[in-house]
Amino acid sequence: AQTVTQSQPEMSVQEAETVTLSCTYDTSESDYYLFWYKQPPSRQMILVIRQEAYKQQNATENRFSVNFQKAAKSFSLKISDSQLGDAAMYFCAYTITGNQFYFGTGTSLTVIP
Amino acid sequence: NAGVTQTPKFRILKIGQSMTLQCTQDMNHNYMYWYRQDPGMGLKLIYYSVGAGITDKGEVPNGYNVSRSTTEDFPLRLELAAPSQTSVYFCASSKGQNYNEQFFGPGTRLTVL
Repeated sequence: AQTVTQSQPEMSVQEAETVTLSCTYDTSESDYYLFWYKQPPSRQMILVIRQEAYKQQNATENRFSVNFQKAAKSFSLKISDSQLGDAAMYFCAYTITGNQFYFGTGTSLTVIP
Repeated sequence: NAGVTQTPKFRILKIGQSMTLQCTQDMNHNYMYWYRQDPGMGLKLIYYSVGAGITDKGEVPNGYNVSRSTTEDFPLRLELAAPSQTSVYFCASSKGQNYNEQFFGPGTRLTVL
């Protein structure tokens, strides 16, 4: 079974500090894509960052970066210089073929002023 | 571009009623998807389509039907609504296998009483 596990239902961070959200996944495939999506209270799902499994270099998008450990099947998201607008649910997801996507249960991030 | 649009935003159904959730995208994407998000959970794939005339089941297809007569539209049909179908429904689209980022609609909150 294809599964994605986010073991932290809730996290909090002080404004301007750094926080890391964890994600592990289970697949026997060697080529796949990994994603982090943000869902603010508006419910709109927004892509934060993505990583191709065949790339060893970790993806970075401004204050967001990932730590991709393929052998460990781990894909954590680091948010640097946290801002109030970063408060949201964060979902880890992956796809092998682009047909089916598998999502974790999410981590609720609170940013403390 | 409007992106992915969904109607209605909210709907209350009685048990046994039927309805169609509409989804339209104007990005000329080949792939389209329907998800449901239950409270405190991640997204579960209901159905997906890789092009007009082609649809396939996801993880949780029971109680739903879809059609894809055009590239732009991907309606989701609920027959004989049940309380277990109370959820938020998201439609998404993507270019396809080599462009795996999904673009999401704003969601439809459905309550079945």
